[in-house]
Amino acid sequence: EAQVTQNPRYLITVTGKKLTVTCSQNMNHEYMSWYRQDPGLGLRQIYYSMNVEVTDKGDVPEGYKVSRKEKRNFPLILESPSPNQTSLYFCASSFGPGLARTQYFGPGTRLLVL
Amino acid sequence: DAKTTQPPSMDCAEGRAANLPCNHSTISGNEYVYWYRQIHSQGPQYIIHGLKNNETNEMASLIITEDRKSSTLILPHATLRDTAVYYCIVRTGNQFYFGTGTSLTVIP
Repeated sequence: EAQVTQNPRYLITVTGKKLTVTCSQNMNHEYMSWYRQDPGLGLRQIYYSMNVEVTDKGDVPEGYKVSRKEKRNFPLILESPSPNQTSLYFCASSFGPGLARTQYFGPGTRLLVL
Repeated sequence: DAKTTQPPSMDCAEGRAANLPCNHSTISGNEYVYWYRQIHSQGPQYIIHGLKNNETNEMASLIITEDRKSSTLILPHATLRDTAVYYCIVRTGNQFYFGTGTSLTVIP
């Protein structure tokens, strides 16, 4: 089954404790992206990747890092989480932004930073 | 500044057409308009996209004004399962800019 998986689905952590949210897709997609969703603000793009070793900042990259060492994986790293990073996070993938008629989204990760 | 603006909520009677508007007055010539929807807090699902011409698929129609400053998503025969938040999105190069969404409620 074609899918994007994220782990963990729910996470409670404390300020400053490094964490990684994993994202994996099984569709051989080149393009992968991370979004955060906050009430009243819709989804905002954090980082995206056009292919292996190619990443770029989205609209709200501050406080986040990503890596793309393998085509299928695109982890989101919070080196020193802060309470304002409490949010619902989505990973997405597609064959390319221009072909994003079907950008597949993962199920989301709810993060609470205390 | 937001690239898209949408009304926060709308109602539609079951079986009627739902027309969801979106303003994107600062859109430039090579920026695409996409529509996605999100049910509860699940991952958004693609509906349709376009550049200049009107588009139709099995789910919906997209009407883009000639000046491209606004668009309308049309769900021709709304069902209860179409109750969701609908996002109008502008793609600039490789980046996607979501609006704040319209919460559509389909009423029996």
